[in-house]
Amino acid sequence: VQLVESGGGLVQPGGSLRLSCAASGFAFSDYWMHWVRQAPGKGLVWVSRIKSDGTTTNYADSVKGRFTISRDNAKNTVYLQMNSLRTEDTAVYFCTNGDSTWWNWGQGTLVTVSS
Amino acid sequence: QSALTQPASVSASPGQSITISCTGTSSDIGSHNLVSWYQQHPGKAPKLLIYEAIKRPSAISSRFSASKSGNTASLTISGLQAEDEADYYCCSYGGVNTLYVFGAGTRVTVL
Repeated sequence: VQLVESGGGLVQPGGSLRLSCAASGFAFSDYWMHWVRQAPGKGLVWVSRIKSDGTTTNYADSVKGRFTISRDNAKNTVYLQMNSLRTEDTAVYFCTNGDSTWWNWGQGTLVTVSS
Repeated sequence: QSALTQPASVSASPGQSITISCTGTSSDIGSHNLVSWYQQHPGKAPKLLIYEAIKRPSAISSRFSASKSGNTASLTISGLQAEDEADYYCCSYGGVNTLYVFGAGTRVTVL
């Protein structure tokens, strides 16, 4: 099983980024996928999830209305479109699979929001 | 402020046992068994240790065990080893409004 995140980087406040997570080694289309983030020196925080068939999405209150999760089961990839970024969104973003148990994790991609 | 309460740090000598508590409410830990524990070494991705409160994935050492009583879940590491030095996070399903809540993490130090 492998989850590989990409798309992180330095962005100014108010800017946008799109994260990707490429999955392999498991039946991607059978699994809920999630994004979890970790600010520097802080703990883990759940961000968003998407159902296996893409019909249901949920968000933490802190990102609702600014972030959009999506997936392409043909490409075994989940995405996180992040708009109106704030300095407090600075974190390593991990993707993970599962419903209420997160079985596998990617290595994370760092998003830095700073002017 | 995290929704689940964990001790900030726990330390012990090699070979000893430690227990990390994770206290929530009747809306999260107290209402179901959807509690999981994750280990995270510095700069690394989290790793699943325990799921559904007490179950251990086959690849995880039997030195890791867990329990749950009421609104509190607990993780026990027996026969502490140097490689167990890491951060440990509990996580619970929090219901349809909150969805998922984490503890702030517990730093385990092997003396």
